[in-house]
Amino acid sequence: AQSVSQHNHHVILSEAASLELGCNYSYGGTVNLFWYVQYPGQHLQLLLKYFSGDPLVKGIKGFEAEFIKSKFSFNLRKPSVQWSDTAEYFCAVNNGAGSYQLTFGKGTKLSVIP
Amino acid sequence: DTGVSQDPRHKITKRGQNVTFRCDPISEHNRLYWYRQTLGQGPEFLTYFQNEAQLEKSRLLSDRFSAERPKGSFSTLEIQRTEQGDSAMYLCASSPAPRGANTIYFGEGSWLTVV
Repeated sequence: AQSVSQHNHHVILSEAASLELGCNYSYGGTVNLFWYVQYPGQHLQLLLKYFSGDPLVKGIKGFEAEFIKSKFSFNLRKPSVQWSDTAEYFCAVNNGAGSYQLTFGKGTKLSVIP
Repeated sequence: DTGVSQDPRHKITKRGQNVTFRCDPISEHNRLYWYRQTLGQGPEFLTYFQNEAQLEKSRLLSDRFSAERPKGSFSTLEIQRTEQGDSAMYLCASSPAPRGANTIYFGEGSWLTVV
């Protein structure tokens, strides 16, 4: 069975600080990897995704993530956060093309202080 | 906005009552999913449909939970004889038929509070 581990429950940063949120998954086969964001009072939105190819993927709002297969990791990064990035971030994985089930981590709450 | 829509957004019910949630997926999305999210946790997969066929339902939490998608468009999730432990956010999502990689789009969710 797949599982996803997000290392930080709550991260507090000042504006302009750099962000890295950890995500590790356990599954030995082909995986698709996702980061979703949930802003306060809003629905889950896709930030970025990795299916194949370049392991460094860029998403919306300046976010990027790097897939490191040997470490089973898919960490999310942003060089300079803004107050508007305050949200909860979820890492998720499914086992390849056609897969119907996303397995989510518990989420990391990010608070950005102006 | 042509995203996934869910109704009602909030439901408060007494223990033992039945509740039903409706989901309208993005137009032309063949796949429809139901997830549950409790406080402090990520969404948890419950069931999914491809068109009108319910292809996976083993993750439904108990036999009090059932879902339908009779015409392959909207779907309903029913919880019978609600219990306090059913209090959660129920999320619907949809995606196109899988031709390779599959991106899933979520609705805003339906909050259930059982008192």
